[in-house]
Amino acid sequence: KNEVEQSPQNLTAQEGEFITINCSYSVGISALHWLQQHPGGGIVSLFMLSSGKKKHGRLIATINIQEKHSSLHITASHPRDSAVYICAARRADGLTFGKGTHLIIQP
Amino acid sequence: DAGVTQSPTHLIKTRGQHVTLRCSPISGHKSVSWYQQVLGQGPQFIFQYYEKEERGRGNFPDRFSARQFPNYSSELNVNALLLGDSALYLCASSPGVDLGETQYFGPGTRLLVL
Repeated sequence: KNEVEQSPQNLTAQEGEFITINCSYSVGISALHWLQQHPGGGIVSLFMLSSGKKKHGRLIATINIQEKHSSLHITASHPRDSAVYICAARRADGLTFGKGTHLIIQP
Repeated sequence: DAGVTQSPTHLIKTRGQHVTLRCSPISGHKSVSWYQQVLGQGPQFIFQYYEKEERGRGNFPDRFSARQFPNYSSELNVNALLLGDSALYLCASSPGVDLGETQYFGPGTRLLVL
């Protein structure tokens, strides 16, 4: 069992919908990253969280340390948001990544 | 400012060969970390180097090694290549040693082992 689990694995939605991607981890962490990966492989860091909530444009990330759970929300989704979203947990021995959520936003 | 760069972009090797992948961090960044991403999976942590010293190692065999140079660029070496080493190899840099800081990723090197 992967120590970082993401859900859903795949998500297709219509433009304008509110999107939620979930990340759960089974071990103690000091920080959690949300990353975006486009076709071709390039990865962009969206958020780094150690507590609470962060917002950047239409993206919101939250983390609940006690429940070992984080969510990434996209408001007013747009086809350009189509990508793979990956969460990564900072542990003492490095970063542990989820398998990613493949998001497709249809016009 | 230039982002993280990696070379080569693509590489084809045969089983048993060795390969060297290169990464140049963002100017001023002293940490370089390496990741392997097999198709359809999330990345897996291989190594972190900071100030030319290894600061973290993932669960990879000794065939994988790395080093960091005085200019903070880094090389990842893989010996005795196996088919299963075919993957996208990513490096990331950051100013400090904490992997909890924002990591800046390069475009990756796609390695195919035949």
